[in-house]
Parts: sequence; C-alpha cells; structure tokens
Amino acid sequence: TQLLEQSPQFLSIQEGENLTVYCNSSSVFSSLQWYRQEPGEGPVLLVTVVTGGEVKKLKRLTFQFGDARKDSSLHITAAQTGDTGLYLCYGNTGKLIFGQGTTLQVKP
Amino acid sequence: EAQVTQNPRYLITVTGKKLTVTCSQNMNHEYMSWYRQDPGLGLRQIYYSMNVEATDKGDVPEGYKVSRKEKRNFPLILESPSPNQTSLYFCASSLWGGNTGELFFGEGSRLTVL
Repeated sequence: TQLLEQSPQFLSIQEGENLTVYCNSSSVFSSLQWYRQEPGEGPVLLVTVVTGGEVKKLKRLTFQFGDARKDSSLHITAAQTGDTGLYLCYGNTGKLIFGQGTTLQVKP
Repeated sequence: EAQVTQNPRYLITVTGKKLTVTCSQNMNHEYMSWYRQDPGLGLRQIYYSMNVEATDKGDVPEGYKVSRKEKRNFPLILESPSPNQTSLYFCASSLWGGNTGELFFGEGSRLTVL
C-alpha cells in the first residue's frame, strides 16, 4: 500500500516553541492538504497546496509544498496550547491517501 | 448547518452480530467515503462512493459492505464483526471525488467488538 510518510509521529513541546512537521512521498502529488484533528472530533481542513514551491500562511502556521511536489511541511511559530492535536497530510498521488499523522502536544 | 452525521457515536457489540453505522450529509456532495482510524496508522480508507449507485473498495475493505442508494446517505455495514474491526470510524463527504476537494468529516463512531 502506498504511504505518505509523516515525521515526527509524536511531538511534545512547551508553549512558545517553534516546530516543523513533514510529509513525504516517493510519488508526485498533484495536490496536498493538511488537516487537524482534535480529540473526539473529525479532521478539519487547514490548507490545500497545488503548485510546486507554493507557500501558504494561516496565522502562525506556514505550509510549504516542495518544488518537486513530493513533500510538504507545516511549520508552527510560537506554538500555543490550542495547537494541540493530530496533524494529517492527505495527498493525491493518483490515489488519495492520508499520512499516519503527527500528534502534537503543547504544554503550558 | 452543513454537516456529516454519523450514528451511533459509540457502540459495543459481540463477534458475529451484524451492525450498521449510518452516515448522512446535507451538503449535496457527490463523493462520500468511510475511514477507520487506528493508532499510528492514520486514516485508512474502507470504501468510497463517487455518486449514487457507484461504490468502490478502498485500502481495507475486507469485512465491510456499503451502499449508496441516495445521495445523502452512505451506511457502513459489518455483516459479521470481529475483534480486529474494533476501531474509530469516520465518514466523510466532498463536493466531488477524483481530486483533493475539501473533505468534511463526521464526528466519528467508536466501535468495540468483543
């Protein structure tokens, strides 16, 4: 089964720290999305990227799509406790698949 | 309010007892899909439907059935549940399939099979 590799799988940091989460594939994405899931809820879309090299910002979150469209990153600046959750990448490599997820815990 | 509604939210059952998890969306979406979520494995697709009467297997279809007789409903059927189907299940819908349109998820159904 084709996979999207996310790293790290788990991240525990203090409030105010910066972090980066990665999503990689051996195949080219035609498009990629990032979702956040909070406990007891379904995932919610954060962003969609479609163009190689694209950078999108959503407040303190910066999303980057690799030039070759095989990887993406999510960077959070000055993390807050409200950023705690599971972050999932979801890509179209000819097949629509989710990464395994990165669990982020931001401690006060 | 635009939403995807799943029922039941929680269910404990025994091996072999048939059950159905319902999913309904009120957004007139063409595409619907079922996923199971297990620790460390992300969301794995069970079945999906591009439109009414059009269903296809995802990555982990064994032990599950679906139907899409109406656009708004996409029930997941476990004919003879087994303990390895204990999981958190999500239904999702999107305006269209075939590309990465935004997926709207239900709140999840936690199933335990004893």
